[in-house]
Amino acid sequence: DAKTTQPNSMESNEEEPVHLPCNHSTISGTDYIHWYRQLPSQGPEYVIHGLTSNVNNRMASLAIAEDRKSSTLILHRATLRDAAVYYCIRIQGAQKLVFGQGTRLTINP
Amino acid sequence: NAGVTQTPKFQVLKTGQSMTLQCAQDMNHNSMYWYRQDPGMGLRLIYYSASEGTTDKGEVPNGYNVSRLNKREFSLRLESAAPSQTSVYFCASSPTVRGTEAFFGQGTRLTVV
Repeated sequence: DAKTTQPNSMESNEEEPVHLPCNHSTISGTDYIHWYRQLPSQGPEYVIHGLTSNVNNRMASLAIAEDRKSSTLILHRATLRDAAVYYCIRIQGAQKLVFGQGTRLTINP
Repeated sequence: NAGVTQTPKFQVLKTGQSMTLQCAQDMNHNSMYWYRQDPGMGLRLIYYSASEGTTDKGEVPNGYNVSRLNKREFSLRLESAAPSQTSVYFCASSPTVRGTEAFFGQGTRLTVV
């Protein structure tokens, strides 16, 4: 299965930017990178996805390295509500979402 | 707009009992998924259905069966529940085309005693 590597946990302060890294060194040319997050006691929710170019939406930005072996999810101004587990998922072949352990993000007031 | 609806939300079973977890989506999605999440862990894929009429095993299929009843509904059955199957179960759906977002239900918390 497609593997990604993320730090187990990260911590940031409210109203500061957060950069969540993900390594996917064995990615192939047609694999998408998706990010989901899971708030406490809820199901996962979609954050953003991309293929080659950087992407922006109302929730976050996704910066994909030129060689596509890594990507970074950027929360421009973190709030307490952004405290969650963030999952970086590589999708190959038939769309099969396989989650890793994710990064637990703590936001300090 | 209901999205992905799972029933029941909570269930307690005795070891050896059987039950079916129901999942329905109203977004006309082709692909549907079942996951389990143990305390403090990430989600693990049990089974998925890329399109109506097809199902495939995920990472942890043992002890489970699935039925893609129609395009809307994807059920998960435990034939003989075991304490190791105590978990929170999530259903999700997505359009078939790769690179599109998946939507998740709120989960079913299952306890097997």
